[in-house]
Amino acid sequence: KAGVTQTPRYLIKTRGQQVTLSCSPISGHRSVSWYQQTPGQGLQFLFEYFSETQRNKGNFPGRFSGRQFSNSRSEMNVSTLELGDSALYLCASSLDRARPLHFGNGTRLTVT
Amino acid sequence: QQPVQSPQAVILREGEDAVINCSSSKALYSVHWYRQKHGEAPVFLMILLKGGEQKGHEKISASFNEKKQQSSLYLTASQLSYSGTYFCGTEEGRDSSYKLIFGSGTRLLVRP
Repeated sequence: KAGVTQTPRYLIKTRGQQVTLSCSPISGHRSVSWYQQTPGQGLQFLFEYFSETQRNKGNFPGRFSGRQFSNSRSEMNVSTLELGDSALYLCASSLDRARPLHFGNGTRLTVT
Repeated sequence: QQPVQSPQAVILREGEDAVINCSSSKALYSVHWYRQKHGEAPVFLMILLKGGEQKGHEKISASFNEKKQQSSLYLTASQLSYSGTYFCGTEEGRDSSYKLIFGSGTRLLVRP
């Protein structure tokens, strides 16, 4: 079974731009969660989608948004990038709540 | 509410034991444990759903005290491969929303 795939692996953007990250979950997994990982803040929850519906959202500004498609693939978008948005963005899929998360290798975003 | 992990870091000699603790001020539905090696994605270790339940994975086991909202991860006879950062993730409540919140992590280094 293929694992969680995130694209692209690396991104360099400048302040003010916007970016879209993509995540393909494991086949059959309908839940997709997104996390931001930084050295100082650890793994911060962004949002979770299940069957195209956002079920929960973390404490991030409205510049961070996401969506999920009917095939469970998910995208997250960050608009008006700030230097502080530089981080590793991890996507994880699972069957549902209280089930293991399977993480992708992440997209490393650098904002200059 | 982010769970609190302790200790923040621990250094072991190969063959020694370690305990990593995770506590929350909220009533928990599940506790997850993950290990992340440098430059890699977090990998699922185990999940605990009920108070007092203990699960094992080779020489790694965990317990969950539902009344105290605490979980502990036990690493027995540590191996070099155990080095990495361990995260606990907690899921609150029994409603339909799914939100796994991670602690700040415990860095474990096993030396020969």
